[in-house]
Amino acid sequence: SAVISQKPSRDICQRGTSLTIQCQVDSQVTMMFWYRQQPGQSLTLIATANQGSEATYESGFVIDKFPISRPNLTFSTLTVSNLSPEDSSIYLCSEHDNYGYTFGSGTRLTVV
Amino acid sequence: AQSVAQPEDQVNVAEGNPLTVKCTYSVSGNPYLFWYVQYPNRGLQFLLKYITGDNLVKGSYGFEAEFNKSQTSFHLKKPSALVSDSALYFCAVRDMNSGAGSYQLTFGKGTKLSVIP
Repeated sequence: SAVISQKPSRDICQRGTSLTIQCQVDSQVTMMFWYRQQPGQSLTLIATANQGSEATYESGFVIDKFPISRPNLTFSTLTVSNLSPEDSSIYLCSEHDNYGYTFGSGTRLTVV
Repeated sequence: AQSVAQPEDQVNVAEGNPLTVKCTYSVSGNPYLFWYVQYPNRGLQFLLKYITGDNLVKGSYGFEAEFNKSQTSFHLKKPSALVSDSALYFCAVRDMNSGAGSYQLTFGKGTKLSVIP
């Protein structure tokens, strides 16, 4: 199965700023996903990112707040914009291939 | 719509005893089921999955899960718990009949497993 390198692993950001999270996969994959895990909660899908097309966002998530790039089949970024304390969460990327789903190690974001 | 229920927020078990973490699911078609484990400050690690075939699935670290179609359950089990098994466990499902292009996983809320020495 694929291996995903996600960074940064954690960051502390000022409110009103933005954070960009990167995920690099060690093989070409068609589908990548971005999840949010709020404190003590389960994973919620933010969007599906396919190379060569706009990301597909789930209900409650919008592109202006969570812009996603997918420039090629091994890389994706998620930006969390105009940060507020409510954005403090763990953000995880994931890929789907013939073996199933692999997750990055997560980015723990704290907004102060 | 697909959904997953993990009825227990926390499971406590003594080291060496068998453990069970419960999961039930709801899909309109055939389920594709997963168990993941999350250690503190870490991402999700894959334990096992069920697509089709034998109802008893064996996975990593001695874990196994039993698919029960009539009860729509996929409980995670281990014959002898270790202290190092203490972590957060997530069950997830994907509806295999949800249509082309829909690869979304739906997660349960997670169960915290504590193995007591």
